[in-house]
Amino acid sequence: QKEVEQDPGPLSVPEGAIVSLNCTYSNSAFQYFMWYRQYSRKGPELLMYTYSSGNKEDGRFTAQVDKSSKYISLFIRDSQPSDSATYLCAILRDSNYQLIWGAGTKLIIKP
Amino acid sequence: NAGVTQTPKFQVLKTGQSMTLQCAQDMNHEYMSWYRQDPGMGLRLIHYSVGAGITDQGEVPNGYNVSRSTTEDFPLRLLSAAPSQTSVYFCASSYSGRVAFFGQGTRLTVV
Repeated sequence: QKEVEQDPGPLSVPEGAIVSLNCTYSNSAFQYFMWYRQYSRKGPELLMYTYSSGNKEDGRFTAQVDKSSKYISLFIRDSQPSDSATYLCAILRDSNYQLIWGAGTKLIIKP
Repeated sequence: NAGVTQTPKFQVLKTGQSMTLQCAQDMNHEYMSWYRQDPGMGLRLIHYSVGAGITDQGEVPNGYNVSRSTTEDFPLRLLSAAPSQTSVYFCASSYSGRVAFFGQGTRLTVV
């Protein structure tokens, strides 16, 4: 079993829709959870990170962690065509401070 | 402030050739990493460093060498290129392990 699982998609939604992107993880000891966005032919860039459980909001983006279910989510409100990208979840492994990556979900927002 | 700079952006190698992918950062980060990204497989860690003079293997280290003589530079050497090393390579730096800054990537094709 992979430490982090993420559906690769693609996920295609109309402009203005609410998007939900998700990852599951296996180790209940993980504490730091990140979402990165990667545009085509570019390097990933950090979108949001959260510590432990709960929600964190930044503009149209909300990151949510449910440690009881070992489930992390990224919600995008009022989605725009410019949000079309691959979204990768990442979790910090405390033992060596390295990130464990999901496979990434390709998101397509249709105008 | 250039961030993380990778060179070259594109490279074609013949099987058996060697080459060095360059990575430099100007943020004084201690942590640096090399990843490869293949379709459907997300980011896989090749080697990483937690400071000058200290390197360690990641998930897929075979066929690659690294060194870290300065805080700024972290080159990745392909010893004898193989078609299986055709991939997109990303260098990343971080001040805490949690938040990684990525370069723009090197697209490598081995024929």
